[in-house]
Amino acid sequence: DTAVSQTPKYLVTQMGNDKSIKCEQNLGHDTMYWYKQDSKKFLKIMFSYNNKELIINETVPNRFSPKSPDKAHLNLHINSLELGDSAVYFCASSQSEGAGEQFFGPGTRLTVL
Amino acid sequence: GNSVTQMEGPVTLSEEAFLTINCTYTATGYPSLFWYVQYPGEGLQLLLKATKADDKGSNKGFEATYRKETTSFHLEKGSVQVSDSAVYFCALSDYGGSNYKLTFGKGTLLTVNP
Repeated sequence: DTAVSQTPKYLVTQMGNDKSIKCEQNLGHDTMYWYKQDSKKFLKIMFSYNNKELIINETVPNRFSPKSPDKAHLNLHINSLELGDSAVYFCASSQSEGAGEQFFGPGTRLTVL
Repeated sequence: GNSVTQMEGPVTLSEEAFLTINCTYTATGYPSLFWYVQYPGEGLQLLLKATKADDKGSNKGFEATYRKETTSFHLEKGSVQVSDSAVYFCALSDYGGSNYKLTFGKGTLLTVNP
């Protein structure tokens, strides 16, 4: 059983389009995250939700909007995609907000043409 | 604010060589420290952790000791294998005033040749 899953694994799209990435965890965790990893492997947190409530919202363009329909899901919607949005996006979860161990999904490689 | 600095890569070693990847941190509180590993094409996974000063984390032959006096958490392995080729991330978890956050270093790419 996959603990943290993301769909799709690859996403290729044109500039200006709107796209969504879905994430689900079956670990019963309370907290979920979205990270962006650039081409140099630098990993930066974007958002964090605890029990469906937003607790971290880093300096991210408001074209990015997370949505947590329930504790097990955290989706990422991106409007008006730009070339600079090309990256690998990782979803992660942890047992609680203060738990340092996070479980990562396999990543979604987004390419904006 | 909190930050993590780890040695720049890439690091290339021969099989059975000794590995050290340096990591130092800056934190306002009393952080927990972690090493995560990312194998090619995969997400990150926890390799080891230490939650207080002088703790030693170990897993799969890797180890790191939480040194508060030098604010360091260097990763070591006595004899690397080809299968250890991956990107290694040092990270800290600390309370930043309003929430906990995991802060990552920039990652170090390790390549082990047979």
